[in-house]
Amino acid sequence: AQSVTQLGSHVSVSEGALVLLRCNYSSSVPPYLFWYVQYPNQGLQLLLKYTSAATLVKGINGFEAEFKKSETSFHLTKPSAHMSDAAEYFCAVSDLGDSSYKLIFGSGTRLLVRP
Amino acid sequence: EAGVTQFPSHSVIEKGQTVTLRCDPISGHDNLYWYRRVMGKEIKFLLHFVKESKQDESGMPNNRFLAERTGGTYSTLKVQPAELEDSGVYFCASSQRRSGGHNEQFFGPGTRLTVL
Repeated sequence: AQSVTQLGSHVSVSEGALVLLRCNYSSSVPPYLFWYVQYPNQGLQLLLKYTSAATLVKGINGFEAEFKKSETSFHLTKPSAHMSDAAEYFCAVSDLGDSSYKLIFGSGTRLLVRP
Repeated sequence: EAGVTQFPSHSVIEKGQTVTLRCDPISGHDNLYWYRRVMGKEIKFLLHFVKESKQDESGMPNNRFLAERTGGTYSTLKVQPAELEDSGVYFCASSQRRSGGHNEQFFGPGTRLTVL
C-alpha cells in the first residue's frame, strides 16, 4: 500500500532562514504529489502539486518542491522563512490508478519560525 | 464563493452516544470526501462520494460509521454509538468532477470530535 513519510514532526527555523520539509513516498510508480498547509483553526490549503509535468513545482507564498524519482522524494523548500509561515504542513500522494483520487497523507510537520 | 463548511466545529459527547457531522461542499462540486485525523497522526481517508453515490468507502473503520449525501449536495457522517477511539478531527473536502487528471480538493476547517 502507498505510504508517505515526513521526517520530523517539528521543524524550527529562524526568520529569514531556509525552510526544508522532507517528504518521501513509497510507490514505484510516481503518483500525484501534493503539499498542503494548515493554519490554526483553518482547513487544509493546497500549496503546490506535482502531476508529471515539470519536476520543480512552484507554489503559493514562495514555496517550491522538487520531485526526485530516484529518491522517491518531494521535499518542500522556501529560501527565506517568514513568521507567517508558522503552520502545519502535510505531504500527500494520490495514486494514478485510483479513480477516487483519494489523498494519502504523511503525519505532518509543524513549522516553527523564531524571530 | 463560499468554501467548504462543516458543522459543528467542535463536539463533545460521551461514549455510546450518537453524533452527526455535516459538510456543505463548494457549490457545483460533485466529489465529496471525508477524512479523519486521530490523535495527531496522519490524516486518513474515510470515503468518497460522487454526487449522491458512494464511489469508495474503503477507509470507513467499521459499521458504526454511516455517511450519506442525499440529493448530492451536503453530506452527513453519523457515528453510532461513539467510542473513545473515534475522537479526532473530521475533515470534509470537495472537488469538481472532470474526466482524467486530478482535481484540487478544497478542505473545510474540520469538526473536532471528543468522546469521553
